[in-house]
Amino acid sequence: NAGVTQTPKFRILKIGQSMTLQCTQDMNHNYMYWYRQDPGMGLKLIYYSVGAGITDKGEVPNGYNVSRSTTEDFPLRLELAAPSQTSVYFCASSYSKTGAYEQYFGPGTRLTVT
Amino acid sequence: QKEVEQDPGPLSVPEGAIVSLNCTYSNSAFQYFMWYRQYSRKGPELLMYTYSSGNKEDGRFTAQVDKSSKYISLFIRDSQPSDSATYLCAMSSYNTDKLIFGTGTRLQVFP
Repeated sequence: NAGVTQTPKFRILKIGQSMTLQCTQDMNHNYMYWYRQDPGMGLKLIYYSVGAGITDKGEVPNGYNVSRSTTEDFPLRLELAAPSQTSVYFCASSYSKTGAYEQYFGPGTRLTVT
Repeated sequence: QKEVEQDPGPLSVPEGAIVSLNCTYSNSAFQYFMWYRQYSRKGPELLMYTYSSGNKEDGRFTAQVDKSSKYISLFIRDSQPSDSATYLCAMSSYNTDKLIFGTGTRLQVFP
């Protein structure tokens, strides 16, 4: 199993550009999550999904969109990139309700918006 | 008040030391308590998991939960340079789909 994979590893965007961060898991997990991690700020939940076709907002959803058309994939879309979106983005998945089941994290995408 | 508070460190200790990492929380509904370890430029990985109160031991690592004080701890015995990482506490309640993370404590163990 590859686990949770994320692409790209690094990206530099200009202000106002858009991009999609890809996330795929091969563990047949129902739950998937997107976090951002800023220095000294821990992990902040952006969006999550409890199954294909179901998504919900987390703590910091503004400026982002997600979709979940398959169990395996959970892409994160940035529209009109802003410098405040400079961060490291992690995708994670778990078998079922978080807390009761371990979250597995991808290696992260480092995004710089200039 | 933040739901989860964690001392950011950094914490620098010599090899062989006992390390204590701590988190406090305000939500009495939390029942699931975890410690994740994150090496530099990597994703977090689960290190210890505890349900409700009590202690759990795994090799050199011991996790403690004191629900009456809303306080959790991770102890590392005989610390090694390979333990150098950021340690994030995380917790959740039964009726939620989300984990709440602490800000992380950066630990460095020097030879």
